[in-house]
Amino acid sequence: GDSVTQMEGPVTLSEEAFLTINCTYTATGYPSLFWYVQYPGEGLQLLLKATKADDKGSNKGFEATYRKETTSFHLEKGSVQVSDSAVYFCALSGRETSGSRLTFGEGTQLTVNP
Amino acid sequence: GAGVSQSPSNKVTEKGKDVELRCDPISGHTALYWYRQRLGQGLEFLIYFQGNSAPDKSGLPSDRFSAERTGESVSTLTIQRTQQEDSAVYLCASSLVSGRTDTQYFGPGTRLTVL
Repeated sequence: GDSVTQMEGPVTLSEEAFLTINCTYTATGYPSLFWYVQYPGEGLQLLLKATKADDKGSNKGFEATYRKETTSFHLEKGSVQVSDSAVYFCALSGRETSGSRLTFGEGTQLTVNP
Repeated sequence: GAGVSQSPSNKVTEKGKDVELRCDPISGHTALYWYRQRLGQGLEFLIYFQGNSAPDKSGLPSDRFSAERTGESVSTLTIQRTQQEDSAVYLCASSLVSGRTDTQYFGPGTRLTVL
């Protein structure tokens, strides 16, 4: 079945550091890929997505590129801020029809220190 | 516009009691999903609704769990005879349609604690 593997956390960085959170997946067919973020005390919200190979999703300075050859969707940001502290979830949606449940990774806790 | 809402936000119950969790999706969204997030873990899919029917119930962990959706709107997740392992945050999400490219919008969740 479908699965998502994220790099283990927690990750602690200083402000303005470069961020990479690795995500690889296993799925049949052509899944869509997502990064969701959960800020402290808030609900899960979409950060970015990519729906086909070589697409790049971007939002709030974060980027991720759908790499079919390496089955990866790594999240990057060039300069993190304290406000980026949150839990980040990589997810895929694999089914073409009959509903598209999301399969999530286990989440990566990011803490950014001033 | 209004997002997905869930109630209650917190529920503490005793082992063996039944609980009902409610989800109000975004107006006009035909697809509705329930997930469970146990402490320190990722989200697990429970059930999916397209309109009022549930084509995929494969994630429900046991027959103590059931869900319904009425009027292509509100959904209720019911857990009977709760057990301590049911303690988790239950999240509801909705999307405009149910294709693989569609974004799911999540509610704030219901934190269930079974004593």
